Order: sequence, then C-alpha cells, then structure tokens
Amino acid sequence: DAGVIQSPRHEVTEMGQEVTLRCKPISGHNSLFWYRQTMMRGLELLIYFNNNVPIDDSGMPEDRFSAKMPNASFSTLKIQPSEPRDSAVYFCASSPGTSGRNEQFFGPGTRLTVL
Amino acid sequence: AQSVTQLGSHVSVSEGALVLLRCNYSSSVPPYLFWYVQYPNQGLQLLLKYTSAATLVKGINGFEAEFKKSETSFHLTKPSAHMSDAAEYFCAVSDKEVSNFGNEKLTFGTGTRLTIIP
Repeated sequence: DAGVIQSPRHEVTEMGQEVTLRCKPISGHNSLFWYRQTMMRGLELLIYFNNNVPIDDSGMPEDRFSAKMPNASFSTLKIQPSEPRDSAVYFCASSPGTSGRNEQFFGPGTRLTVL
Repeated sequence: AQSVTQLGSHVSVSEGALVLLRCNYSSSVPPYLFWYVQYPNQGLQLLLKYTSAATLVKGINGFEAEFKKSETSFHLTKPSAHMSDAAEYFCAVSDKEVSNFGNEKLTFGTGTRLTIIP
C-alpha cells in the first residue's frame, strides 16, 4: 500500500502566483481531508470530502483557497493569488468511512513557502 | 462541540524515564479519542485510539493510554522513554455518530513536543 501521496513535497513561489497542491488518497478510502500546519496556529482542518462531495469547508481561510475532488483518487487544493501568510505545511489525509472511530491516514505533506 | 486540551507544549524526560503526556477532552456525547505522533518532516501517524471498548488502550512503540470518563482525560504514557520517541504528539477527539454527516471530523489539540535527554 503506497499510502497517501502528495505532490509536490516542497513548493517555493512568489506572492501573487497560483499554487496547486495535489493529493491521491489510499484506494478504497472515501473520506479526504486537507489540513494546514503552522507554528502559530497548529493543525487546522481546511476542508473535507466524503464520496468526492465537500462536506465541511468552514476552515477554508478565504476565497483565495479552493479545493476540488473530481474523482475518488485525486484532489487538489488551490491558492490564487498566494500570499506570504499562506506559508505552511499542507497535509492531505484519508479515511475508510464516515464513522468517527476511523483512523485518518496522513500524507507526508507539502511545505509551501510564499516569498 | 468537542475539544481537547493538551497540557504542556514541551515535555522533556530522560532516556529510560516514564513518559506522561496529558490530554483532557470536552464532548457533548461519548467520544472517540486518538493519539497521533509526528516525527520531523513527516505526516501524522496513529499511535492508538479509544472507541469505547477497553478503557486501557495499548498502541504501537510501547505507548498506552487510559480513558477516564470521571476526569475527562486520556493521558498517554510509556514506562521507559527511548531516544526514538522524540517527536510531537497530538491528542484528537471525534464524536460518536449523532448524525449522517460530519462524524469523521477530528478535532486536534495543539500538540506536545517530547524531547528525550540522553
């Protein structure tokens, strides 16, 4: 099992540029989560999907952030335009169902630096 | 709404000493509780979870945690610390199913960074 795959692992961009982060969940998992981790704010849930449908996007900071899940094996998180305060590690996680007892499996993260 | 509080953002213990990381939860319904570990430059991975079976839960790498409803606690312990235990540890909570949606959402604590002194 390859686990949750995220790309790129590192991204350095300039303020104002568009950034797209990608995630492939574990095959067979039907819940997918996007988190952001910073020293100041810790681990924040941005949005999550169930069966490719967004369920809760209340953590998305503002309209510059958008997320899509066009199929069960792929999701993107887009920031347009990017700002220096978006610098963080972004994690994708997946879980096998909708029960609260299910473990979430995390990817290795994408470290984003916006100059 | 559920929440968790982790007391102590940094904990240092000597190699071979007892590890105790504290977590208290708040939940309107009986919770599911989790401990995750994050090693440097990696994602989080599950150490153990409580899902209303035995109140003493054993996890990987010799860690265990005890669910105490009367104290609303789920503290993580390990009898003897090893250098490889140095990492950040997160407590998390989710509610038992009360609706058809949103049950799988986890609320994480702010984390405790564990340092092992040789």
